[in-house]
Amino acid sequence: GDSVTQMEGPVTLSEEAFLTINCTYTATGYPSLFWYVQYPGEGLQLLLKATKADDKGSNKGFEATYRKETTSFHLEKGSVQVSDSAVYFCALSVSNNNDMRFGAGTRLTVKP
Amino acid sequence: GAGVSQSPSNKVTEKGKDVELRCDPISGHTALYWYRQSLGQGLEFLIYFQGNSAPDKSGLPSDRFSAERTGGSVSTLTIQRTQQEDSAVYLCASSLDSPGLTEAFFGQGTRLTVV
Repeated sequence: GDSVTQMEGPVTLSEEAFLTINCTYTATGYPSLFWYVQYPGEGLQLLLKATKADDKGSNKGFEATYRKETTSFHLEKGSVQVSDSAVYFCALSVSNNNDMRFGAGTRLTVKP
Repeated sequence: GAGVSQSPSNKVTEKGKDVELRCDPISGHTALYWYRQSLGQGLEFLIYFQGNSAPDKSGLPSDRFSAERTGGSVSTLTIQRTQQEDSAVYLCASSLDSPGLTEAFFGQGTRLTVV
């Protein structure tokens, strides 16, 4: 079935470090791909998305490129801040199903 | 409403009792999703509604779990004869249409504790 696999955490970085959180997917159709973020004490919210191959989603300094050849959608940020500490979820949606499947989540802690 | 509303926010129940969790999606959103988030685990897909129909119920963990949606709006997730392993945060989300086109908005969740 359709699924996403993301790197296990937790990930701990120092402020201004480079961040990569890996995400790969398996889908029978042509999925849309998402990164959602859950800040401490808050609900999940959309961070960025890409709906077709080679699209790049970006928001708040985060980027992810939809790579069909490697079935990946890795999340990157060049310089993380303490305020980026959160749990990050990779997700996909396949158009013929319209439901959304999430990865296990990766907890990021950024230390000053 | 302004956002997805879930109630109750917290529920403590005794093993063997039935519980009903409610989700009030954003007005006009046709798609509605239920997920379960267990401690230290990711989001487990439970069920998805398009309007009042649930095309995919495969995520429901057992026949003790059921969900319905009426009037294309409010949804209830019912767990019968609760077990301790049902303890988790149950999340509801809604989107205007296909999540590939529009953002899914999440509620704050219902934290269920079975004692």
